[in-house]
Parts: sequence; C-alpha cells; structure tokens
Amino acid sequence: DTAVSQTPKYLVTQMGNDKSIKCEQNLGHDTMYWYKQDSKKFLKIMFSYNNKELIINETVPNRFSPKSPDKAHLNLHINSLELGDSAVYFCASSSKRGGPADTQYFGPGTRLTVL
Amino acid sequence: GEDVEQSLFLSVREGDSSVINCTYTDSSSTYLYWYKQEPGAGLQLLTYIFSNMDMKQDQRLTVLLNKKDKHLSLRIADTQTGDSAIYFCAEKYSGGYQKVTFGTGTKLQVIP
Repeated sequence: DTAVSQTPKYLVTQMGNDKSIKCEQNLGHDTMYWYKQDSKKFLKIMFSYNNKELIINETVPNRFSPKSPDKAHLNLHINSLELGDSAVYFCASSSKRGGPADTQYFGPGTRLTVL
Repeated sequence: GEDVEQSLFLSVREGDSSVINCTYTDSSSTYLYWYKQEPGAGLQLLTYIFSNMDMKQDQRLTVLLNKKDKHLSLRIADTQTGDSAIYFCAEKYSGGYQKVTFGTGTKLQVIP
C-alpha cells in the first residue's frame, strides 16, 4: 500500500562515517526528489531525477551522491558525515501524468543524527 | 530568485477560522500549493491553485491568490485540533523543470 517508502526511518551515526538512505515509490512516477528539512523545519530541495536522469542539483556538497538504479528508486549516499548533516531527509515523487498539477508525494522521512 | 515566506507560528481556538499567509517572489509561477505536515510525517498536498485563478474553495479550505501582490493565503474554517500541523505553501514556476520551492512553513496550534 505504501506509496513512497524510505529506509531507514532513523539513522544515528558518528562523524566521518559513510551512510546511505534508500527510497522507493510504487506509484509509477517518473520524477523523484530528495529534500533536506532542518531543525527549524525549512525544507530545501537537494536533487531531482527524471527517468533516472539528474535534472535538479542544488548547491549541495559533493559528499552527497544520489543514485537512481531505476525510475522507482532513488538512493542517497553521504560520505564523511558532518554534524551539520543532521536533519530529516525526505524523498518525494511526482508525475506529469498522475495527480493534480504535478503533486509531489512524500515519504515518511529519515531522521539522520550525526554525533 | 525564488523566495517563499510565511509567518512561523499561528495559534487559534478550536472552532475559529485560521488564516495562513504566504508571499512569493516569482511572478512566473504556474501552480501554487498548500501542503500539510503532521508531526513525524512527510508532507501531504492539501490543495492547489492555478495561477490564473484568484480563489479556490474545497470544503473547509479556501485559497486566495493575489497575483499582483504575490500573496497566497489559506483559510481553514471551523478549525479543529486535528488541523494542528505545519503548513507549507509552495510554488512551481515555469522557469524550472518541475522544481517546486517550498515556503518556510507555518506551525498552526489549535487550542481546545
């Protein structure tokens, strides 16, 4: 039933480690996104992929590398984690052919805590 | 640039109307949206308005768009405790490939 799922839901790790967050959507959408929400709840887009092709790449450190093995999956790998990476990361998907006005459907979020 | 601003906090009594405001800067916006984020969850679309409309009503929700002033508002009639959440306005503009810029979010607290 889950439309957009993310794993893990919580991730606690030490500074300097490398970690990955996975996202999958079963809506048949062709566009997927990663957003970062900080402690003040500001939501910033990081990346967007359309049919496995990177189309939006905001000013994000190159320690962050998205990978889309197919259009239903968009994973986020983070190298050399820093304290400032602590946030909630949301995956979302959308389709020009589905839903009103390119509605974005969000996953439940992954809360990353870097110690 | 694309800046979308909202006041951070709004507190209302149960049964009253809530009005959440949003200002945006990009005049070429095509769609404007309101999303709701409940605690510990992702964002969910509440409603949206096309930029050539000035009002849209959907049950307890009324969206008003003043394109001249680049001002968007969401009115929730008969606010309930279940409406307590963070509300984000967002704009999709014609200059970007499906890029949506979200506002800073307004935390709505409903007092019983």
